[in-house]
Amino acid sequence: DGGITQSPKYLFRKEGQNVTLSCEQNLNHDAMYWYRQDPGQGLRLIYYSQIVNDFQKGDIAEGYSVSREKKESFPLTVTSAQKNPTAFYLCASSIDGTSGSGELFFGEGSRLTVL
Amino acid sequence: GNSVTQMEGPVTLSEEAFLTINCTYTATGYPSLFWYVQYPGEGLQLLLKATKADDKGSNKGFEATYRKETTSFHLEKGSVQVSDSAVYFCALRRNTGGFKTIFGAGTRLFVKA
Repeated sequence: DGGITQSPKYLFRKEGQNVTLSCEQNLNHDAMYWYRQDPGQGLRLIYYSQIVNDFQKGDIAEGYSVSREKKESFPLTVTSAQKNPTAFYLCASSIDGTSGSGELFFGEGSRLTVL
Repeated sequence: GNSVTQMEGPVTLSEEAFLTINCTYTATGYPSLFWYVQYPGEGLQLLLKATKADDKGSNKGFEATYRKETTSFHLEKGSVQVSDSAVYFCALRRNTGGFKTIFGAGTRLFVKA
């Protein structure tokens, strides 16, 4: 089955540690995205990538980093510079980054808790 | 700037009741509009979409009509079920300048048997 796989589903981190969230898709989509979800708030865009080896900052990129070395993979690193990293992180993809009607396909999310 | 505003929840209904979740947007140009649904502990999935004015999106008994004159995209269902309990997000996707999707805050729906 085609889809987006995020791992791990739950992650605990001590303050000062970096952590990397995995996102893999087999939909052959060009564009991939990382969103952060906090209780009572909508999704906020962290980073997005429209093509391999290229990515752009979203609205809340500070304290995060990404890479896009392969079309299928878009890992997110939450660094120690992120002041409030406890959240639910969602990875998504779309067929391309230029289609205005393009729907997003989401993974099941990763819940990060900083102890 | 571009934004989406949807009614605050939670919304609590009895089974078979009529559902309306209001959504209004601010955007330049002609964005595409979406409703996504999130079940507990899961990611979001597309419920329905509309790409131009007066289009009606529909799926699983849910409907929403793209109203440019009132900049609205209200979600409706004639008879809700317990299985419809979830969080519903209204969203827009700009057709220019980066094609980012902008989400509303979400509305939680509880349906009682």
